[in-house]
Amino acid sequence: GAGVSQSPRYKVTKRGQDVALRCDPISGHVSLYWYRQALGQGPEFLTYFNYEAQQDKSGLPNDRFSAERPEGSISTLTIQRTEQRDSAMYRCASSRSAGVTYEQYFGPGTRLTVT
Amino acid sequence: TQLLEQSPQFLSIQEGENLTVYCNSSSVFSSLQWYRQEPGEGPVLLVTVVTGGEVKKLKRLTFQFGDARKDSSLHITAAQPGDTGLYLCAGANAGGTSYGKLTFGQGTILTVHP
Repeated sequence: GAGVSQSPRYKVTKRGQDVALRCDPISGHVSLYWYRQALGQGPEFLTYFNYEAQQDKSGLPNDRFSAERPEGSISTLTIQRTEQRDSAMYRCASSRSAGVTYEQYFGPGTRLTVT
Repeated sequence: TQLLEQSPQFLSIQEGENLTVYCNSSSVFSSLQWYRQEPGEGPVLLVTVVTGGEVKKLKRLTFQFGDARKDSSLHITAAQPGDTGLYLCAGANAGGTSYGKLTFGQGTILTVHP
């Protein structure tokens, strides 16, 4: 079956440009999470959704970052006016539901490089 | 803010050796998950522990959740080169708007040499 997919897999952009990163979760999964991960480190929580509702956005670094999931399926993480410090691997994960025992299935990530 | 301290950060051992990775926090978690991540891939769940004092075994891997649900350990017996990877612990809580949100440790990079 299809897992979590993300696009693009690699994105190189110039400082100041806006970027949109897409996540397509496993069909039927209620919860969707966005993380940022540095090489060799654990994922850092950014935000998450149950259905289309954004439940927690406490991990978004600043107001240049936003996310949406308008129909409760595909989600987009948007970074406006990108800066070099935004360069990282952005990972999406989905789970059957929100809960402390549910497994999160991770996508392959989008490697963002801001030049 | 809940934090998970994972140690050691790096571990380089020979095939056949045993090892333990630790995950500690000053906060209580409702559950603790362990993930393994290979280069170029996303993390994949190994186990979830929920009850204080719980021990789970997965072949050569033994996972333990502390009695107070603040710490956990992963023990690998007779490590093999195929065990090489990034091991991550992640805690979740049942309360408030962060229900199910995972807080990850910094990770342990394990290299097992043949």
